[in-house]
Amino acid sequence: DGGITQSPKYLFRKEGQNVTLSCEQNLNHDAMYWYRQDPGQGLRLIYYSQIVNDFQKGDIAEGYSVSREKKESFPLTVTSAQKNPTAFYLCASSPLGPRKARAFFGQGTRLTVV
Amino acid sequence: QKEVEQNSGPLSVPEGAIASLNCTYSDRGSQSFFWYRQYSGKSPELIMFIYSNGDKEDGRFTAQLNKASQYVSLLIRDSQPSDSATYLCAVRGAHGANNLFFGTGTRLTVIP
Repeated sequence: DGGITQSPKYLFRKEGQNVTLSCEQNLNHDAMYWYRQDPGQGLRLIYYSQIVNDFQKGDIAEGYSVSREKKESFPLTVTSAQKNPTAFYLCASSPLGPRKARAFFGQGTRLTVV
Repeated sequence: QKEVEQNSGPLSVPEGAIASLNCTYSDRGSQSFFWYRQYSGKSPELIMFIYSNGDKEDGRFTAQLNKASQYVSLLIRDSQPSDSATYLCAVRGAHGANNLFFGTGTRLTVIP
């Protein structure tokens, strides 16, 4: 089945630790996105990528890093520089070009600082 | 100014009523517009998309787009308790790119 997979579903991070969230898609989509969602809030764009080896900062990129070495994969690293990382992280992918191309979401990763 | 703005609500309507959700966007070059529904703790799911001025109907849902006013809305007729969720407006094509910007969402509660 085609889809977008995020792992892990739950992740706990100690203070000062870097952690990496995985996002994989087999939909052959060019674009991939990372969003952060805080309780009761909407989605805020962290990073997005439209092509392999290229990515752009979103509204809240500070304290995060990404890579896009393969079309299928867009991992997000939450670094120790991110002072308040506890949130729900959503990865999405979409085709480019067609106006009605929709974004597909993974099931999300809930990150908690302990 | 944010790319996409929504009234955060909460919006409460009685069962059977029409729920009206509104969204404005800043970039006139935006190409297409999406409404997602998100249940608490879950990922968003697409319920409607629209890219031409006017209305688009799908069952109990109607999306309305007015590009001149940079305004898109979602009407939910015969609201049901199962419609209680957060509704996210998303806009593609801002700044000539293919990135997808979301509003902060409107929380809807349908009261039985």
